[in-house]
Amino acid sequence: AQSVTQPDIHITVSEGASLELRCNYSYGATPYLFWYVQSPGQGLQLLLKYFSGDTLVQGIKGFEAEFKRSQSSFNLRKPSVHWSDAAEYFCAVGARYTGNQFYFGTGTSLTVIP
Amino acid sequence: EAGVAQSPRYKIIEKRQSVAFWCNPISGHATLYWYQQILGQGPKLLIQFQNNGVVDDSQLPKDRFSAERLKGVDSTLKIQPAKLEDSAVYLCASSLSSGVTGELFFGEGSRLTVL
Repeated sequence: AQSVTQPDIHITVSEGASLELRCNYSYGATPYLFWYVQSPGQGLQLLLKYFSGDTLVQGIKGFEAEFKRSQSSFNLRKPSVHWSDAAEYFCAVGARYTGNQFYFGTGTSLTVIP
Repeated sequence: EAGVAQSPRYKIIEKRQSVAFWCNPISGHATLYWYQQILGQGPKLLIQFQNNGVVDDSQLPKDRFSAERLKGVDSTLKIQPAKLEDSAVYLCASSLSSGVTGELFFGEGSRLTVL
């Protein structure tokens, strides 16, 4: 069955520090992978997506993610975190062979310390 | 470009009462989704529409939840009667694509508290 695991419920980083948010997926075929961000009181916004090709994808707001098939992972990274990055981050899998559904992880809450 | 509009933003009801949520997707987006997001969990699909037809409602608790998308634009999600476990944020999303390659555009959500 399809599933997405985000092992870290909450992460705290200092402003200017680097960030890595983990995402592992379970899917029987090559997945479509997404990262969404949800700022307080707002809807989810797409940061980046991976379908095929270069395994390192660039997104908005200076974020990037790397697809590693051998590890079934799609970790999100940012070299230098800004206070405005404090939000909830969701990894998602697009299951095109099983109902064309999106499966979301449970999210990682990011706190940024000034 | 206007985003996905949802109302009401907040609703508090007693258990066994009914509630309805409204969603207006981005103009031209044929696909509309309703997700349930319980505190501490990721969004879970309730129902997906393509124009005014239902694509997937396998996870919709049909004994109490109903949804419609008349004329293929606006949509309403109704809960009747509500249970305590229905307390959640109900997210509406729309997409140009009917598959999983398209970006989902989310509204701000409707937060339901059932007492």
